[in-house]
Amino acid sequence: NAGVTQTPKFQVLKTGQSMTLQCAQDMNHNSMYWYRQDPGMGLRLIYYSASEGTTDKGEVPNGYNVSRLNKREFSLRLESAAPSQTSVYFCASSELTVGTEAFFGQGTRLTVV
Amino acid sequence: QKEVEQNSGPLSVPEGAIASLNCTYSDRGSQSFFWYRQYSGKSPELIMFIYSNGDKEDGRFTAQLNKASQYVSLLIRDSQPSDSATYLCAVKSWGGKLIFGQGTELSVKP
Repeated sequence: NAGVTQTPKFQVLKTGQSMTLQCAQDMNHNSMYWYRQDPGMGLRLIYYSASEGTTDKGEVPNGYNVSRLNKREFSLRLESAAPSQTSVYFCASSELTVGTEAFFGQGTRLTVV
Repeated sequence: QKEVEQNSGPLSVPEGAIASLNCTYSDRGSQSFFWYRQYSGKSPELIMFIYSNGDKEDGRFTAQLNKASQYVSLLIRDSQPSDSATYLCAVKSWGGKLIFGQGTELSVKP
């Protein structure tokens, strides 16, 4: 049972390049999330998808787009990477029900030079 | 004002002491509350969740929730060096939005 799988694990981009971070979960969860984590700032919500077919902005959506491809997969796209987007990105999934925990992927360490 | 606020620490306690971690939240519509532990370079992992006012105990951990004061806390009894990590408070609202605080770094000294 893989849980939440993110790819890639590490990535270096040049400013202005684009890329897509992939996330897939095998727990049949309705909700999926993308966070970024910077030193001393905890996890900040970029976008989330409460259920298949819906996406909503989180705290820091600027510069990102998402696609909920199906119930299993939720991708995060950087159209034109900036050094300020250097961060560790985590994908998570959860049931929509109150009181259910979120399970996290292993993270993607992205550096934009 | 951030939606979920924690003291960033670091909080340092001696081995065997009680560590007390605090969190406040701004959305009165919040429904469930989580404490995650994160070791350096690793993904967050759930310690406890609570959604009713009062205390909830699990081994050495006790979560406390006061919805009127919009306050949630985590007590760690008999703290061990292996408890040294960053503790993240998270709040879930109707509609599935899950927001985290900035985390409190805990250091347990032998």
